Amino acid sequence: KQEVTQIPAALSVPEGENLVLNCSFTDSAIYNLQWFRQDPGKGLTSLLLIQSSQREQTSGRLNASLDKSSGRSTLYIAASQPGDSATYLCAVWDSNYQLIWGAGTKLIIKP
Amino acid sequence: KAGVTQTPRYLIKTRGQQVTLSCSPISGHRSVSWYQQTPGQGLQFLFEYFSETQRNKGNFPGRFSGRQFSNSRSEMNVSTLELGDSALYLCASSATESVYGYTFGSGTRLTVV
Repeated sequence: KQEVTQIPAALSVPEGENLVLNCSFTDSAIYNLQWFRQDPGKGLTSLLLIQSSQREQTSGRLNASLDKSSGRSTLYIAASQPGDSATYLCAVWDSNYQLIWGAGTKLIIKP
Repeated sequence: KAGVTQTPRYLIKTRGQQVTLSCSPISGHRSVSWYQQTPGQGLQFLFEYFSETQRNKGNFPGRFSGRQFSNSRSEMNVSTLELGDSALYLCASSATESVYGYTFGSGTRLTVV
C-alpha cells in the first residue's frame, strides 16, 4: 500500500533563506508526483507536476526533483519570501490511478 | 482561461438536511474529482467522474453521491447531514486521465450545526 510522508511537518525560516521540503513514498511504481500549496481555508494551488519519466521541474523560484528508485521528491524554494508561507502538499498517483497525499509541511517565512 | 469554479463558497446546514455542491471544471477538462478535507483526516478522496461515468470511488458512506453532466460539470450530494460532515469540499479537474495533474477549485466550506 502506497504511503506518502512529508518531513518536516512544520518549518519556520527567516526571509531570504533557501529551503528544501521533503516528500517520500513507499512504492516506486508511481505515474506522477505533484506539489501543491494551500493557504489557510483556501483550495489547493498546483505548483509543479513531475511525470514519472522526468527528474525535475522548475517554475520561477521553485524546483522539484523526483528520484523514483529511492522513493523521494524534494521541493526547493529559493530566496524565500513571507508570501511563500503556506502548507505544501505532495501527492503521488499510484498504479491504481489513486492519488495518495502526504500530510503536508506548514511553512512560515519570518520577515 | 477560467479556472475550476465551485459554488457555493460557504454553506451552513442543519443536521439531517441534505446539500448539493457544484463544480464547473476548466473548459475542455473531462475528469472531475471530489475530496473532503478536515483538520483531523486531511484530504480524503470521495469520487472521480470521467465523461459522466464514475470511475473511482473512495471509502465514504452511501450518503455521499455525485454525478457528472454532459458538459462535464459535476455535482456532489450529501444526504442526512451529520456534524462530522463539516469540512472543506474540494473539486479538481483534469484534461484526460487524472494522473496528468489536477487543477483545484477554491472549495466549498460546509458547516453542519
